[in-house]
Amino acid sequence: GENVEQHPSTLSVQEGDSAVIKCTYSDSASNYFPWYKQELGKGPQLIIDIRSNVGEKKDQRIAVTLNKTAKHFSLHITETQPEDSAVYFCAASLRGNNRLAFGKGNQVVVIP
Amino acid sequence: DAGVIQSPRHEVTEMGQEVTLRCKPISGHNSLFWYRQTMMRGLELLIYFNNNVPIDDSGMPEDRFSAKMPNASFSTLKIQPSEPRDSAVYFCASSLWGDPNYGYTFGSGTRLTVV
Repeated sequence: GENVEQHPSTLSVQEGDSAVIKCTYSDSASNYFPWYKQELGKGPQLIIDIRSNVGEKKDQRIAVTLNKTAKHFSLHITETQPEDSAVYFCAASLRGNNRLAFGKGNQVVVIP
Repeated sequence: DAGVIQSPRHEVTEMGQEVTLRCKPISGHNSLFWYRQTMMRGLELLIYFNNNVPIDDSGMPEDRFSAKMPNASFSTLKIQPSEPRDSAVYFCASSLWGDPNYGYTFGSGTRLTVV
């Protein structure tokens, strides 16, 4: 089945700097790649997603890039702010159904 | 829409007791997922339903766990009898089947503590 891996597991950045989280996936049939943000005590919330026919997508300070050949995609957060501190999950769609395979999550800490 | 609604938010119970977690998916969504989250294992898919029918329950840890979806607007996850190792945060999520491009919407979760 699909295997999604995230790196690094923990990331600390100074406020104002950029943060990048990388994910790799194994199933070449995956065609949808969402990113979720989970704040303390809350459920994961979809923040951005990308489809396989697109290489990059941007929404204000966050962007996602996809390299289908290499089977990896990344989340970029620019001008980080304390409220960006959270756990971020990447996911990839599974072949033939509407399920998603999730990575283990990355803890991002923005240091004021 | 109020989003995916889960109840209760917190549950503390004694070992051996029955626990029932509840979920109301987003109106119009026809897929529902139950996840368990722990520090050690991360997000684990327990079971999911399409059009109220259980499709894959291979993630259910053991026979003590059961889930039902009697109609499109309600699902339950039951643990009987509960054990301390069941302590975790349980999330329900819903989506529109056939169009995974919209992803899942998660509820706020139920934090279960079994003592």
